[in-house]
Formats: sequence, structure tokens, C-alpha cells
Amino acid sequence: GAVVSQHPSWVICKSGTSVKIECRSLDFQATTMFWYRQFPKQSLMLMATSNEGSKATYEQGVEKDKFLINHASLTLSTLTVTSAHPEDSSFYICSARAPDRGYTEAFFGQGTRLTVV
Amino acid sequence: GQNIDQPTEMTATEGAIVQINCTYQTSGFNGLFWYQQHAGEAPTFLSYNVLDGLEEKGRFSSFLSRSKGYSYLLLKELQMKDSASYLCAVLDSNYQLIWGAGTKLIIKP
Repeated sequence: GAVVSQHPSWVICKSGTSVKIECRSLDFQATTMFWYRQFPKQSLMLMATSNEGSKATYEQGVEKDKFLINHASLTLSTLTVTSAHPEDSSFYICSARAPDRGYTEAFFGQGTRLTVV
Repeated sequence: GQNIDQPTEMTATEGAIVQINCTYQTSGFNGLFWYQQHAGEAPTFLSYNVLDGLEEKGRFSSFLSRSKGYSYLLLKELQMKDSASYLCAVLDSNYQLIWGAGTKLIIKP
């Protein structure tokens, strides 16, 4: 399968600061990556779809000025949580598909557990 | 709207068999996935069905009936490490993944 690497695995930050999460496709080119948030005991919630070289598409209710997404290359997408608050504490997961390699399944990064104190 | 239903929680005994059902109503269909997710970890791929029938992979099997909008994941010879959440997801006509809420499977000795 294809490999997606997400960094960092966990981060603790102070309220009001910003945090950047990186998502890399290691062995394939991902023109599209997906960012999810998952609260405890809940399923994945799609936040936005990140498209290489263009603006991300945000789901309803997700603040695009707060969750900045940059997909500057075919192998890297970043999510920046700006002015983080305790309610932003969650598990953030990125995924990508590799249709050019015949994969329709989603490959997930390891996830980032964000705790805002 | 699009909807995927699966039970919230199931309990089974080590060594037994368990079937986790998933029903869906989506705008178009390009396949159904099952993922396993252990607590605090990202989901991992288990199976993909796009044609009707049963796909077997070791202890895990997945079944699809497109006419009924129904799938199930069958886990045999349950092991304690199978305790996890199992997520059903459908690829719709726009190739967007629609996720179920997940089924938490608890395995008891």
C-alpha cells in the first residue's frame, strides 16, 4: 500500500498559539488530501479537502481562517490551527488516495493528538 | 441526504464469530470500505467491496449487496487484539468517502 506520514504525533500548546501539522505522501503523489478531526468516541469528521496548487474546500461549519490548509506540493499538505483554544483539542488525521496507482482506498497518516492548555 | 448506519457497540467472546452490519444510502456508489481503528490510532484498511458478494481475507470477510444497500464485516476466531472500532465507509459518485459512526467491538475472554 501507499504510505502517508503525519507529524507531529502529539503536541501540547498554550491557548492562543498556532500549531502546524504536516501530512506527507511518501511513495506516491497525492493531488488531493483530506483532513479529519475526531473527538473521543466519535467517528471521523471531514474538515476539508486539500487540493494541490489551489484553495482547500472546507466542510460546512469549519472556519477556514482558523484552520489554514496549504497544499503546495504533490507530496505535502499542512494544516495550521491558528489561535488554538481548548475546544480545538482533538485527534487530527490526514488521508490521501493514490488513484494513479490503482488504489481507491484511503491511506491515513498516524494522526496528531492536539491538546490546548 | 447521505447516510450510513452501523451499530454503536457490540460485544463478543474470544474465539467466537461476530458480524458487524452496515447499511447505506448515498448519492451514487463506487465501493464500500471497512477500516479498523484502535483507540488513539488512525484507521487501517481492512477491505474494499465494489461488486456483490463475499470477499474473504484470512479471519476477516466482507459482504456487499448493492441492491439492498447493505454490507457486513465478519470476524472469525476472535482475538483480544480485535477489540477496536470498525468503520464502514462508502465512496459516493463524487469519489468522496462517506463515513459511518463506527462500531465499537468489545472482546471478552
